[in-house]
Formats: sequence, C-alpha cells, structure tokens
Amino acid sequence: QGQLVQSGAEVKKPGSSVKVSCKASGYTFSSDTISWVRQAPGQGLEWMGGILPVIGTADYAQQFQGRVKITADVSTSTAYMELSSLRSEDTAVYYCVKEMYYSGSGRRFDPWGQGTLVTVSS
Amino acid sequence: DIQMTQSPSSLSASVGDRVTITCRTSQTISTYLNWYQEKPGKAPKVLIYGASSLQSGVPSRFSGSGSGTDFTLTISSLQPEDFATYFCQQSYSTPFTFGPGTKVDIK
Repeated sequence: QGQLVQSGAEVKKPGSSVKVSCKASGYTFSSDTISWVRQAPGQGLEWMGGILPVIGTADYAQQFQGRVKITADVSTSTAYMELSSLRSEDTAVYYCVKEMYYSGSGRRFDPWGQGTLVTVSS
Repeated sequence: DIQMTQSPSSLSASVGDRVTITCRTSQTISTYLNWYQEKPGKAPKVLIYGASSLQSGVPSRFSGSGSGTDFTLTISSLQPEDFATYFCQQSYSTPFTFGPGTKVDIK
C-alpha cells in the first residue's frame, strides 16, 4: 500500500508561490498516480490534479489551470505541487494521495499524506 | 464537472444507532463512488470503494450501496470511534469531485 510523507507547514505572502513535496515509500512510485487534494478551513475536499510519474504529464482541474504545477522525481520517489499567485483563499491543508485502481478504471485515494498547512497572509 | 450532493449535512446519533447517509451525483457514474471518513486533524481514509466494496481493515458495520446517481453509506451500529465527517467522491471522470460532507456527532 505504501506511505506518503509531506513537507512541513508554510506561511506565504499573497502573490507568492509555494512548493509542497510528498515522498513515497513502500511501493513502486513510478507506477501509480499521485493526486493532490486540498481542504480549506471548515470546507470540503477539492481535487487539484494528478500525475503518473512514469509518464510525467499532469492532469489539472480547470480552476487551477495556469496556477498549479505538479511534478514527480522518480529518482527520489517524490512528487511536488507548486501553486503560484497565492491569495488568501488558498489557505488550506494540502494532501497528496495515491490513486489505487479497482474494477479496471475505478480509482480510490489510498493512502493519504499527513497534510501540509499552507497559510497565505500579508 | 460532476456535482455531488450529500444528505443530511449533519446528524446526531447515539452509540448503537443505525445511520444512513445519502450521496447523489449530477450524472450517472455507474459504481465509481467512494466513501471516506475524516476525523479532526487527521487525513481522510477510504471506507468503501466501487460503491459497495469494503476497504481492507474497515469494520464490517460499514456498508455501501447504489449505482447510477444514488448511493448510500450505512453504519449498522454506530460506535464511539465513528463520530466523524463522511465524504463521498466520484472517480468516474476528472476532475474528481467530493460531496460536501456529513458530520456525525453524539446525540
């Protein structure tokens, strides 16, 4: 099943960028898609995008297109999520998750990283 | 994008109660529906995938049903550790979307 360990909390100014890392262990990193999901305080869960490390091309949710960049380094089994032009509404806990397939094309998120709190404040 | 709704948004229940949470999608998704449990300060964990398959290690008091656009999560006998927020999520197509959550607290 594996484990995902994320980098620590960040405090950023509006307009700046943040880069969160997610180190995988216990499974073949290149073979399974890593997605990023965020949760603003008191809010629901929001999928941002995902990447299959062996291919290296990311798929993004429309609302983050142009502001988010998801990458993966197979040599270190680490995925990254970089979000730019930060605004206060981007204050959230950011999770990396591994996609597990079932029934051919169905996917579930398991496991989850521990989450990284990103606070955007002037 | 596929829109997700859940009902109720919150409920109060007692230990031993049977609890049912409903999730509805804006378009048919076959059985590509997952349920997650989230506790304060912890990452969500998957309970049910493929609408009705129990994730390994999850107690059998949790069950899921449904297909198409209407789905149900049932907890047959609520335990103290089950007080949490529950989310549904569709994996039929990207962008993957989640329901707004149902908070289950103690009556």
